[in-house]
Amino acid sequence: EIVLTQSPATLSLSPGERATLSCRASQSVSSYLAWYQQKPGQAPRLLIYDASNRATGIPARFSGSGSGTDFTLTISSLEPEDFAVYYCQQRSKITFGQGTRLEIK
Amino acid sequence: EVQLVESGGGLVQPGGSLRLSCAASGFTFSSYWMSWVRQAPGKGLEWVANIKQDGSEKYYVDSVKGRFTISRDNAKNSLYLQMNSLRAEDTAVYYCARFRATTHFDYWGQGTLVTVSS
Repeated sequence: EIVLTQSPATLSLSPGERATLSCRASQSVSSYLAWYQQKPGQAPRLLIYDASNRATGIPARFSGSGSGTDFTLTISSLEPEDFAVYYCQQRSKITFGQGTRLEIK
Repeated sequence: EVQLVESGGGLVQPGGSLRLSCAASGFTFSSYWMSWVRQAPGKGLEWVANIKQDGSEKYYVDSVKGRFTISRDNAKNSLYLQMNSLRAEDTAVYYCARFRATTHFDYWGQGTLVTVSS
């Protein structure tokens, strides 16, 4: 099983700041990594697929990068609605990371 | 507009059974892999099962193999999850999701809560 480790567990930032979230895989997942955003009481929403492709309707401030075992989700300038939990996911016997909580500082 | 609407959740005793349903609309259901993903209270996401477009391939997380069965009815645009021998650790919100290109989940339902407790 491929383990995805997200860091940090919690990230405290202010609106307007840049957020950098990390996801590390225990073995290579090529570029088959996705990112999701989840707000309390809501279903997850796809943000990024195949490491760097934005999903339909996702604002340009969200970007993804990486390949192999190291991946990054960047939010260039935080909006109030971006504070949520973020998960990464890989496709091989599908697993998710444990999540990064992005909270308002 | 793609819509996925789950139903069938509820309270069940340990060892009991439950059948979840997911009604799909807004896309050609028979053209996509479909999945169930669950989330225990206050915890992260866990993939449960996948099913191919024609139902010929099914995959499960190890913890539910032999107890859960995923199925679909393309004529009814519906996805199902039959859950038997339920355990307390199966307590979770169960989401139906469209599994795109066998790599990611591009649409999700709102979820249905399953509680396993005596």
